[in-house]
Amino acid sequence: AAGVIQSPRHLIKEKRETATLKCYPIPRHDTVYWYQQGPGQDPQFLISFYEKMQSDKGSIPDRFSAQQFSDYHSELNMSSLELGDSALYFCASSLGSGGVGGYTFGSGTRLTVV
Amino acid sequence: KQEVTQIPAALSVPEGENLVLNCSFTDSAIYNLQWFRQDPGKGLTSLLLIQSSQREQTSGRLNASLDKSSGRSTLYIAASQPGDSATYLCAVFQGGSEKLVFGKGTKLTVNP
Repeated sequence: AAGVIQSPRHLIKEKRETATLKCYPIPRHDTVYWYQQGPGQDPQFLISFYEKMQSDKGSIPDRFSAQQFSDYHSELNMSSLELGDSALYFCASSLGSGGVGGYTFGSGTRLTVV
Repeated sequence: KQEVTQIPAALSVPEGENLVLNCSFTDSAIYNLQWFRQDPGKGLTSLLLIQSSQREQTSGRLNASLDKSSGRSTLYIAASQPGDSATYLCAVFQGGSEKLVFGKGTKLTVNP
């Protein structure tokens, strides 16, 4: 079965650079969520989109932005990167807003800021 | 504010043992609870999803129960194997927000 696809798997950037992370949800899933997991931490919710509209916002820095496109894939744009942005970034998708059917997570993008 | 606690934080058992991981949450008004497995540096694999109207879910050697009124869930792993070694995360979906609230996980080590 198709899963949530994230790219790239690994990314190394320097401070103050920009990074773009991509997420392709499970086919027919219309809701996408982004989470950040720092070393030894539990995942923290950043932002979500339902039917291409932002549906909720968590602890996402102003330096980050995201959108969901017409094909339901999503991109997380991160600017002015800081060392503290080094983390695993997960995308998840679900059918319908509200996570009622449960979340399916991708394998994540490991971002390292040097 | 919903808080999710997992006990114990770490657990080491010999192969073949049956074990129970605990998860508690402070606000019982949840829509569902999901158990995930995470291998080091890897993604989150969904193990079991329990809707608020359900009492338990089973998948193979795994059984998860939910007592919404008392704010508790348990994940039972039967006949543990070294391949079960991972961190197990419990997460609740509450509604009114799109986010899952995670516990900090239980790191399980199954020794051969």
